[in-house]
Amino acid sequence: DIQMTQSPSTLSASVGDRVTITCRASQSISSWLAWYQQKAGKAPKVLIYKASSLESGVPSRFSGSGSGTEFILTISSLQPDDFATYYCQQYNSYPLTFGGGTKVEIK
Amino acid sequence: EVQLVESGGGLVQPGGSLRLSCAASGFTFSSYAMSWVRQAPGKGLEWVSSISGSGGSTDYADSGKGRFTISRDNSKNTLYLQMNSLRAEDTAVHYCAKSRSGGWYDFWGQGTPVTVSS
Repeated sequence: DIQMTQSPSTLSASVGDRVTITCRASQSISSWLAWYQQKAGKAPKVLIYKASSLESGVPSRFSGSGSGTEFILTISSLQPDDFATYYCQQYNSYPLTFGGGTKVEIK
Repeated sequence: EVQLVESGGGLVQPGGSLRLSCAASGFTFSSYAMSWVRQAPGKGLEWVSSISGSGGSTDYADSGKGRFTISRDNSKNTLYLQMNSLRAEDTAVHYCAKSRSGGWYDFWGQGTPVTVSS
């Protein structure tokens, strides 16, 4: 199974900050990676697929990069609506696996 | 507008069974693979099972192999998850999710909670 490791697990930041979240895969997954945002009590929402493709309707302050085993989600200027938990997910092979999540908190 | 509405969750004793349903609308259901993903209280997301658009291909996480069965009725636009021999560790919110292509999810339902406890 491919293990997905996110860091940090918690991140404290202020509105307007540039935020980066890292996701590492235990083996190469090419660019078969998605990023999701989840708010408390709600279903996840996709932000990025295929490592760097922005889903329709998602603000352009979100971007994704990387390939192989290391991936980054960047929020260029953190907005109040962005305080949430973020998950990466590999879909290179079954079983599909998610990272442990990164909670972005208000500093 | 795409909608996924789960039902069938609830409280069940260890060793019991539940069948979850997910009613889909707003897209051509039979054209898309579907999955179940769960989230234990205070924990992260865990993929449970996936099924192809035709229903001819299925995959399961080890945690559910031999106990869970995913199926779909394309005439009713409905996805199912039959869960048998339930354990305390199956306690979670269970989401159905639509794959656009390749195994990532562009739409999720609101989730249905499953609690396994005596």
